[in-house]
Amino acid sequence: QQQVKQSPQSLIVQKGGISIINCAYENTAFDYFPWYQQFPGKGPALLIAIRPDVSEKKEGRFTISFNKSAKQFSLHIMDSQPGDSATYFCAARKGGADGLTFGKGTHLIIQP
Amino acid sequence: NAGVTQTPKFRILKIGQSMTLQCTQDMNHNYMYWYRQDPGMGLKLIYYSVGAGITDKGEVPNGYNVSRSTTEDFPLRLELAAPSQTSVYFCASTLDRDTEAFFGQGTRLTVV
Repeated sequence: QQQVKQSPQSLIVQKGGISIINCAYENTAFDYFPWYQQFPGKGPALLIAIRPDVSEKKEGRFTISFNKSAKQFSLHIMDSQPGDSATYFCAARKGGADGLTFGKGTHLIIQP
Repeated sequence: NAGVTQTPKFRILKIGQSMTLQCTQDMNHNYMYWYRQDPGMGLKLIYYSVGAGITDKGEVPNGYNVSRSTTEDFPLRLELAAPSQTSVYFCASTLDRDTEAFFGQGTRLTVV
């Protein structure tokens, strides 16, 4: 059972456009929702994270939108740049210390 | 400040061989994790530890063992390597359950 579903699997966006990646979760015990960015040959790095008591969080060009009733959250990358080309993972964590549950990832390509 | 360091970066094992993947962190983090990343599958939790002397199973622990004798080190042991263990392995650490997870650069393991 996949607890965090991520879409699309791959995405091509023109430079300057908006990149949107969506995730849906099933377990209502999740209370922390981070997004990770991964470049080839590197480990994932935290990009931005949100908790379910807020509906939106913005950091620079990156915004998380969170819909608790729909159990969905999304990452928006404004003014997408070629340097944003990477794999993006959404994740979720529930109470306790048992780590993160990851989506399958989105391979994002920003075309110049 | 090196963060999370994993060794080796690459390794080829024959079926039935054993090896230890090393992970060390210099951030004095209490929580440490091992994940495996398979193509198109996101990251899955193998084992985790909330402190020295304490370890627990994650989603996919079969075929692996861990120990946590110090705060800094969290080695992952493969006793009888199988082709299904071909993967990229990531170690991560957090100060506590509510803070950012820092990942190492990964170990790419191939079992032939």
